[in-house]
Amino acid sequence: EAQVTQNPRYLITVTGKKLTVTCSQNMNHEYMSWYRQDPGLGLRQIYYSMNVEVTDKGDVPEGYKVSRKEKRNFPLILESPSPNQTSLYFCASRGQAREKLFFGSGTQLSVL
Amino acid sequence: DAKTTQPTSMDCAEGRAANLPCNHSTISGNEYVYWYRQIHSQGPQYIIHGLKNNETNEMASLIITEDRKSSTLILPHATLRDTAVYYCIPFSNTGKLIFGQGTTLQVKP
Repeated sequence: EAQVTQNPRYLITVTGKKLTVTCSQNMNHEYMSWYRQDPGLGLRQIYYSMNVEVTDKGDVPEGYKVSRKEKRNFPLILESPSPNQTSLYFCASRGQAREKLFFGSGTQLSVL
Repeated sequence: DAKTTQPTSMDCAEGRAANLPCNHSTISGNEYVYWYRQIHSQGPQYIIHGLKNNETNEMASLIITEDRKSSTLILPHATLRDTAVYYCIPFSNTGKLIFGQGTTLQVKP
């Protein structure tokens, strides 16, 4: 089954403790991206990757890192999480341009 | 990147057609219009997309004006399960994507 898999589904952590949210797709998609969703602010793009070893900033990249060493994985890294990064995070992937985006189920992150 | 304007909320009676408008007056020539919906806090679900011709699939129809400055998503026979937030998103192959606030559609019995 074609899917985008995020892990973990829920994560509670403390300020400053490095964490990684994983994202994997099984569709051989070139494009992958990360979004955060906050009440009243909708979904905002954090980073995106057009292909392996190619990443670019979205609208809200501060405090986040990503890497794209292989096509199927696009982890989101928070080196020093802060409470304002408490949010619902989504990963998405797409094949060729003009094709639809597939979204993961989301990761609810709480930073205390 | 094109910005979008959508009504904050709309109601629709179950079984009737739901027509959701979107204004994207700054859309560029190579940007397709995508429609997604999000139910509660689930991952957004693809509905339909188009460039300049009207499109129809098993879920919905998409009407794009000739000048491409606006579009309308039509759910022909809305059900309670269509209650969701609907996003209209211009998207090109540059990679950047702006969701906007979307329209909360409430389908009522």
